[in-house]
Amino acid sequence: QSALTQPASVSGSPGQSITISCTGTSRDVGGYNYVSWYQQHPGKAPKLIIYDVTNRPSGVSNRFSGSKFGNTASLTISGLQSEDEADYYCSSYTDTSTPWVFGGGTKLTVL
Amino acid sequence: QEQLVQSGGGLVKPGGSLRLSCAASGFTFNHYYMTWIRQAPGKGLEWVSFVSDSGTYTSDADSVKGRFTISRDNAKNALYLQMNSLRVEDTGVYYCARPHSVSGVITTFDIWGQGTLVTVSS
Repeated sequence: QSALTQPASVSGSPGQSITISCTGTSRDVGGYNYVSWYQQHPGKAPKLIIYDVTNRPSGVSNRFSGSKFGNTASLTISGLQSEDEADYYCSSYTDTSTPWVFGGGTKLTVL
Repeated sequence: QEQLVQSGGGLVKPGGSLRLSCAASGFTFNHYYMTWIRQAPGKGLEWVSFVSDSGTYTSDADSVKGRFTISRDNAKNALYLQMNSLRVEDTGVYYCARPHSVSGVITTFDIWGQGTLVTVSS
């Protein structure tokens, strides 16, 4: 069981917006602004798309945005495109013996 | 460009050993902590180990403590993971990853290797 909770799957049509949630506790998501999101296509390594809750690395589309409220972080993808179909993982710094925790992943299907 | 290229991995029997390698290029390797993160088949990601920039400080997840050893050779821009006493539950894809820090806190992982599959099975 993963430390952070994500929905197993979400779906949307091209051009629509979707949001993926990531729920933790006050010792991780709620306690620090150190939430990241990764995109992983089948057979590929994860790719960082959001860090420190809202920041996008250079080269990542501005269709990807992040936010946080309390113990829940969210990733929003606007203007869905077919190439957005992938697995998405959240992670957070934590003040426990395991310094970084991950969510179980969400499979995004573009209909 | 900044990249991490992995080697090693394969099929090993329970109780056996393997060594993974990760070659860094395109950035000043000895300025960064480095980590290993793994992914069991069809599962999420799990942090495994990290090593400080100088190699003097390491930390491991409880699930691998005492069995896995992370190390680095800054002269060769290389990161290693020595895995001993392997268990079936260690099966998965192992990634080396470069951390990104904010005020001395590692907050994310911005460069990832391509991954290498480790299969522990009799």
